[in-house]
Amino acid sequence: NAGVTQTPKFRILKIGQSMTLQCTQDMNHNYMYWYRQDPGMGLKLIYYSVGAGITDKGEVPNGYNVSRSTTEDFPLRLELAAPSQTSVYFCASSYSTLAGLTDTQYFGPGTRLTVL
Amino acid sequence: AQKITQTQPGMFVQEKEAVTLDCTYDTSDPSYGLFWYKQPSSGEMIFLIYQGSYDQQNATEGRYSLNFQKARKSANLVISASQLGDSAMYFCAMREAFRGGSEKLVFGKGTKLTVNP
Repeated sequence: NAGVTQTPKFRILKIGQSMTLQCTQDMNHNYMYWYRQDPGMGLKLIYYSVGAGITDKGEVPNGYNVSRSTTEDFPLRLELAAPSQTSVYFCASSYSTLAGLTDTQYFGPGTRLTVL
Repeated sequence: AQKITQTQPGMFVQEKEAVTLDCTYDTSDPSYGLFWYKQPSSGEMIFLIYQGSYDQQNATEGRYSLNFQKARKSANLVISASQLGDSAMYFCAMREAFRGGSEKLVFGKGTKLTVNP
């Protein structure tokens, strides 16, 4: 199993450009998450998904969009990139029971994004 | 108010010695989970250990153990016999209820551990 994979590893964007960060997991996890990590800080939740076709906002969703058409993939879309979106982005996945109890979240290697 | 507090921005330890990384948390939910993740300089987040709020015994995983003191709301990570490869950022995180019956992780700001030879 590859676990959680993310592409690209690094990206530089100009202000106003758009891009999609890719995330794929092969563990058949139903829950997937996108976090951002700013320098010297812990991670903050951007968006999450409890299954294919279901997504919801996290703590810091502004400027981002997501989709979940399959169990495996959870891309994060940045529209009109801004310098405030310079950060490291982590995708994670976990298994959740019907009772809503989630197992450990496993993280991808991250994408380092710089907006100039 | 911070829900996860890691008061040690940086810690130093000699190789082969034990080190404790502090974590206190704040929640009114009786059911919660506490995690520790390691982030080496390469940047990935590596799961180390988990403690559930109803677990009777402290969690252990190899050289990692979690000193869980529920009344004090602390979940300190103990690394025994430190190795040079343990040098990294360590994050404490708490699983808490979120919208729509889902859950999310709340992270502390991390502690940078440096293991000296």
